[in-house]
Amino acid sequence: SQKIEQNSEALNIQEGKTATLTCNYTNYSPAYLQWYRQDPGRGPVFLLLIRENEKEKRKERLKVTFDTTLKQSLFHITASQPADSATYLCASLSYNTDKLIFGTGTRLQVFP
Amino acid sequence: NAGVTQTPKFRVLKTGQSMTLLCAQDMNHEYMYWYRQDPGMGLRLIHYSVGEGTTAKGEVPDGYNVSRLKKQNFLLGLESAAPSQTSVYFCASSPPGSGHFYGYTFGSGTRLTVV
Repeated sequence: SQKIEQNSEALNIQEGKTATLTCNYTNYSPAYLQWYRQDPGRGPVFLLLIRENEKEKRKERLKVTFDTTLKQSLFHITASQPADSATYLCASLSYNTDKLIFGTGTRLQVFP
Repeated sequence: NAGVTQTPKFRVLKTGQSMTLLCAQDMNHEYMYWYRQDPGMGLRLIHYSVGEGTTAKGEVPDGYNVSRLKKQNFLLGLESAAPSQTSVYFCASSPPGSGHFYGYTFGSGTRLTVV
């Protein structure tokens, strides 16, 4: 069955550094991947979408890549700030329901 | 513009009790969804609706029912709550088709505990 996997371990980085989060998918070839941010006690907020024919997508300090050979998407936050601390979710389309399925998310902690 | 509003925010139920979670959106979105989020499991789709008067099952529909009588509202019902339904429930909405390109809009969630 199709799976979206994210590193469950928290990522701790120092302010100003680049944070890189990984999303791996197996047993299917998604037409696109989406990335969301979720703060404690809040719902996910949509950040970026990247299509399979796009190698890279940027939005301000955010950059997403899509490698169909490695079956992987990388999410980068450059010049990270403590305010970037949150859980980041990767999502893609389910073949069964034609609706989004989500990875479990990776918690990012940026310390001063 | 409130987006997606969920009520209540918190609820404690006893096993066997019933309740309804309400989701309201003011963005005129056609599609609406109910997800549950559990530690280590991520968000899982319970039911969804592609328009007023229509509903469909998601990945984990057992024990839940839904209704979409009005376009702006999507109700999630638990007829006989079980401890396994302790979770955080999120409602989301999206425009048809283009929601796949612009993402879903989520509410802030309902934290439900069944004792």
